[in-house]
Amino acid sequence: DVVMTQSPLSLPVTLGQPASISCRSSQSLVYSDGNTYLSWFQQRPGQSPRRLIYKVSNWDSGVPDRFSGSGSGTDFTLEISRVEAEDVGIYYCMQATHWPITFGQGTRVEIK
Amino acid sequence: EVQLLESGGGLVQPGGSLRLSCAASGFTFSVYAMNWVRQAPGKGLDWVSGITGSGGTTYYADSVKGRFTISRDNSKNTLYLQMNSLGADDTAVYYCTKADSQGIHYWGQGTLVTVSS
Repeated sequence: DVVMTQSPLSLPVTLGQPASISCRSSQSLVYSDGNTYLSWFQQRPGQSPRRLIYKVSNWDSGVPDRFSGSGSGTDFTLEISRVEAEDVGIYYCMQATHWPITFGQGTRVEIK
Repeated sequence: EVQLLESGGGLVQPGGSLRLSCAASGFTFSVYAMNWVRQAPGKGLDWVSGITGSGGTTYYADSVKGRFTISRDNSKNTLYLQMNSLGADDTAVYYCTKADSQGIHYWGQGTLVTVSS
């Protein structure tokens, strides 16, 4: 199975400041069709996960543009340009290039 | 609007069985693959099982293979997960999820399964 490793696991951030979460996969996530099936999910306290980003850098509908995704191959990053109070929660990366689908351990974003 | 409504969770004794259901609406159910993902209390997300739109192909995590069975009834827009030989490690919130061509997309609100004597 592809192992997804996120860092840091806990991220205290000051409101209005940027935040960055890293996700590394144990093998390349480039599929045979040339696409990279790496997504990012946000799970707010007490809620179900919500997808923010798909195929590395594409926003889902309604996702604020302060969120951005980047990376390639085995190294990926989710960035929040200016953290707002509503961004508190746990963020997960997920790969769907290889079966089975696997998730990172999650990164808890909290306000300092 | 996509809606996924899970049901069937509850308290079950070790070795017991449960059947989860997920009622889907807001999209053409038979077109999309569906997955079950679980989350143990205070833990991360763990993919459990998936099924193609037609129901012809199914996939399972090694941890549940031989114990869990995923199925769907496209005439009822409903996804199922039959869980047998349950153990304490199966205690989790089980989420029904809708896939798209990019992977998992929409999630239901989840149903809690507690395995305990």
